[in-house]
Amino acid sequence: EAGVAQSPRYKIIEKRQSVAFWCNPISGHATLYWYQQILGQGPKLLIQFQNNGVVDDSQLPKDRFSAERLKGVDSTLKIQPAKLEDSAVYLCASSGQGDSPLHFGNGTRLTVT
Amino acid sequence: GENVEQHPSTLSVQEGDSAVIKCTYSDSASNYFPWYKQELGKGPQLIIDIRSNVGEKKDQRIAVTLNKTAKHFSLHITETQPEDSAVYFCAASTYGNNRLAFGKGNQVVVIP
Repeated sequence: EAGVAQSPRYKIIEKRQSVAFWCNPISGHATLYWYQQILGQGPKLLIQFQNNGVVDDSQLPKDRFSAERLKGVDSTLKIQPAKLEDSAVYLCASSGQGDSPLHFGNGTRLTVT
Repeated sequence: GENVEQHPSTLSVQEGDSAVIKCTYSDSASNYFPWYKQELGKGPQLIIDIRSNVGEKKDQRIAVTLNKTAKHFSLHITETQPEDSAVYFCAASTYGNNRLAFGKGNQVVVIP
């Protein structure tokens, strides 16, 4: 089966600019997650979707981050305006029914200068 | 929320030896414990997982043990090979919500 697809692979922007990341989960996976992975640390959950509804966004900095999952399939994560501390790899993951394991994409590496 | 800690941060082993990585967790309600392997430039890949109703699980050269009383679990890699070199992450979540809390990762280096 095809894995989780993410684009772009790399993005370099200046602080205060905006950026968007795209994710296409594994076909049929109802649950989609966005994680932030800062260099040298483990992934941190930003937001979890079940179909097109938000299940948990308690760790999403809502003053600058937003995410949507229209039609319950692919998803976009946006940062506006970006800060230096947003430099990280943004990972998308998806899982199937119930307690199925999470499958990760290869991420988007964001550098904010 | 759940807090997961990993030790040691870096582990070097000779090819053919065993590697053991330990994790502790804080939330006694956690009952799902996966291990992920991350290679440079790639996303984390699930290598093995265990649920709280099981004390040990093995898959070829990889095994995971769980001690719920002490709230720690460990990854065991036997007969290590150069391709085992990577960063390994442990994680924990509660049955039903699938929200994984990750440790900081362990860099495993297998010396040929």
